[in-house]
Amino acid sequence: EAQVTQNPRYLITVTGKKLTVTCSQNMNHEYMSWYRQDPGLGLRQIYYSMNVEVTDKGDVPEGYKVSRKEKRNFPLILESPSPNQTSLYFCASSPRTGLRSGNTIYFGEGSWLTVV
Amino acid sequence: QKEVEQDPGPLSVPEGAIVSLNCTYSNSAFQYFMWYRQYSRKGPELLMYTYSSGNKEDGRFTAQVDKSSKYISLFIRDSQPSDSATYLCAFLNTGGFKTIFGAGTRLFVKA
Repeated sequence: EAQVTQNPRYLITVTGKKLTVTCSQNMNHEYMSWYRQDPGLGLRQIYYSMNVEVTDKGDVPEGYKVSRKEKRNFPLILESPSPNQTSLYFCASSPRTGLRSGNTIYFGEGSWLTVV
Repeated sequence: QKEVEQDPGPLSVPEGAIVSLNCTYSNSAFQYFMWYRQYSRKGPELLMYTYSSGNKEDGRFTAQVDKSSKYISLFIRDSQPSDSATYLCAFLNTGGFKTIFGAGTRLFVKA
């Protein structure tokens, strides 16, 4: 089954305690990205990766790091989490296709993160 | 001005009603128009897409794009309680890479 798997699904942590949210996809997609979803703000892209070892900032990268050492994995790292990073996080992947074929994004089930 | 505007709702309708969900946008470079559906505690999933202007129908769903007005719509006919979800409009520019999402409209269909 084609899927994007992220873990943990739910996490409560304390300010400053480093954490990593893992993401893995089994569709051999080149593109992967991380979004956060907040009420009234919708989905905002944090970081994206166009392929292995190629990553770039999205719209809200502050306080986050990523790495893409393998095609299937794209972990999100919060080096020193703060309460304003409390949010619902989605990992996503998509194939490299032409514009007319669209850019269907496949999302994981989400990770609820609370920083206290 | 925001690049994409979408009324967050919530929108509550009785079962069987016709639902109209809308987004406006400001970027003329958008060429690909999508609607994602997100059930509670789940990730969004692609519902429909349209390339450039026009209408597209898929069962009870119709996506409509008016590029001259920079306005897109999703119509749901004979709405069902299972349609209760958040609907996000999404846009792709001529570069074909970065997708811009609306904030989402929360829809409740009452049995």
